[in-house]
Amino acid sequence: KQEVTQIPAALSVPEGENLVLNCSFTDSAIYNLQWFRQDPGKGLTSLLLIQSSQREQTSGRLNASLDKSSGRSTLYIAASQPGDSATYLCAVPSGGYNKLIFGAGTRLAVHP
Amino acid sequence: DVKVTQSSRYLVKRTGEKVFLECVQDMDHENMFWYRQDPGLGLRLIYFSYDVKMKEKGDIPEGYSVSREKKERFSLILESASTNQTSMYLCASSPPLAGADYEQYFGPGTRLTVT
Repeated sequence: KQEVTQIPAALSVPEGENLVLNCSFTDSAIYNLQWFRQDPGKGLTSLLLIQSSQREQTSGRLNASLDKSSGRSTLYIAASQPGDSATYLCAVPSGGYNKLIFGAGTRLAVHP
Repeated sequence: DVKVTQSSRYLVKRTGEKVFLECVQDMDHENMFWYRQDPGLGLRLIYFSYDVKMKEKGDIPEGYSVSREKKERFSLILESASTNQTSMYLCASSPPLAGADYEQYFGPGTRLTVT
């Protein structure tokens, strides 16, 4: 059974720092991995999707990498800003029909 | 842009009421999903549908049912609401089949409180 773990559970940093959020999964037979952002009380916004054949994807200050063999993905946030404060979730599809298994998330606070 | 909308952002219902949560997507996606999100438990799949009138149970279907009469609309039904169904409900949609570049898109969520 696929399990997804995210470390750390929470992170508080000053503005401007470069950050690394970690995601690990137990079954490496995945089609892709998706990173989401969730603001308090809101839905999930898709940030990046990395296909199983890719090693990384970039969008602005965000860079996500995928190492299927070791069951790991990292989300790198460059030059963090207070507007980056949110919970970040990673998820992998499992069991067909694109059903997602989610990690518990990393709650990020970036203070001025 | 893909758009997934949910009928209510906040809802307050009484114990025993029948509750309908509606979700609509505009991308002609075959797959639609209902999750609930609770502190400490994360996101859990309640039901999903891979085609009109087709549905499959997720991990926590007890106390819920679903309806998909049209491709763009997926409804979650709480037959007799209970306080332990107080939660954030999230709807999502995706293209068919698990594939390398198939993303899942989420709606804004419905915060349901059952008193």
